[in-house]
Amino acid sequence: DIQMTQTTSSLSASLGDRVTISCSASQGISNYLNWYQQKPDGTVKLLIYYTSSLHSGVPSRFSGSGSGTDYSLTISNLEPEDIATYYCQQYSKLPYTFGGGTKLEIK
Amino acid sequence: QVQLQQSGPELVKPGASVKISCKASGYAFSSSWMNWVKQRPGQGLEWIGRIYPGDGDTNYNGKFKGKATLTADKSSSTAYMQLSSLTSVDSAVYFCARKWDYGSSWYFDVWGAGTTVTVSS
Repeated sequence: DIQMTQTTSSLSASLGDRVTISCSASQGISNYLNWYQQKPDGTVKLLIYYTSSLHSGVPSRFSGSGSGTDYSLTISNLEPEDIATYYCQQYSKLPYTFGGGTKLEIK
Repeated sequence: QVQLQQSGPELVKPGASVKISCKASGYAFSSSWMNWVKQRPGQGLEWIGRIYPGDGDTNYNGKFKGKATLTADKSSSTAYMQLSSLTSVDSAVYFCARKWDYGSSWYFDVWGAGTTVTVSS
């Protein structure tokens, strides 16, 4: 199975900050990488698909990048509603696997 | 709009089985893979498996083979997951999520709210 690692399990930032969340795969995944946001109430939403494509309705302050085994999600100009846990997910091979999550808090 | 309505919380005894549901609306149920994801308290997301309602084809995460059984009823647009021989490690929130294909990409674009399963005597 492909292991997805988010080395930062939690991070604290101030409103208006630029935040970057990293994710690495145990082998190359050819950009087959999605990002999801889970709010404190448990609701899960898709943010980014195929490494860098913004899902419909997602604010443009969210962006994704990466290649090979290393990927990242960037939130520019952090807003209060961005408080959540963020998960990367690979779909290069079954079984689909998620990173352990990065919990974002306001400083 | 596209919605996935999951069944309510379950309290089950160790060793028992439970069957939870996910009713889809707003799209062609038979034409999209339905996936199931597990989340233990305070933990991350874990993919259990998927079913294609059109023909009943399934794929499972090896970790959940023998634990989870996925089925789908096209007539009611409802996907089901049965969990057997339950133990405390099966206590979790279980999400259903639709897989949507977009060109060479795909993603889980719609998620249910989750069903909490608690295993306790």
